[in-house]
Amino acid sequence: SQTIHQWPATLVQPVGSPLSLECTVEGTSNPNLYWYRQAAGRGLQLLFYSVGIGQISSEVPQNLSASRPQDRQFILSSKKLLLSDSGFYLCAWTEHVDTEAFFGQGTRLTVV
Amino acid sequence: AQSVTQPDIHITVSEGASLELRCNYSYGATPYLFWYVQSPGQGLQLLLKYFSGDTLVQGIKGFEAEFKRSQSSFNLRKPSVHWSDAAEYFCAVDGSGTYKYIFGTGTRLKVLA
Repeated sequence: SQTIHQWPATLVQPVGSPLSLECTVEGTSNPNLYWYRQAAGRGLQLLFYSVGIGQISSEVPQNLSASRPQDRQFILSSKKLLLSDSGFYLCAWTEHVDTEAFFGQGTRLTVV
Repeated sequence: AQSVTQPDIHITVSEGASLELRCNYSYGATPYLFWYVQSPGQGLQLLLKYFSGDTLVQGIKGFEAEFKRSQSSFNLRKPSVHWSDAAEYFCAVDGSGTYKYIFGTGTRLKVLA
């Protein structure tokens, strides 16, 4: 069966520090991968999605970037965190277009 | 552009009472529709989905949803709520071929004992 791993679960980082959140999927190949951010009271905002290695689409211009160095690995990064980057970050995958997304357990990021 | 509206930010119901969570979407064609549930500090779990066919779909945990094209709605229902249903519920839309999922802002459900 397929599983998705996301880490770390919680992270407290100072303003201006770098960020790296990692997400891996097991049990499938060539998944579509997504990064969402959930801010309090604002639902889920799609940040990036990827349909293949090295293929990244950005939905919202911001202080973050994403990379997909391997088929089942998706990384969210920042060179310098801002206070506004705080939130709950969720990685997700889908097997095919128009199928349901499966979510990781999320990372709670607090920028101080 | 696609959009999803969940007009109720918070809903409180008594245990055993019926529940309906509203979801309205904006899309040029019939989209694929989903309801997800999120427990505090956790990821999202799929409750049910609608792709085509019967407009009344059954999901897990006793939930169901009805797709109404004329109203652009996909409301989630449960006949008798349990205390464990307290969570946040998200409606989502997927326009065919876009690879992207648009979520509503969520409805937080509180269940009174």
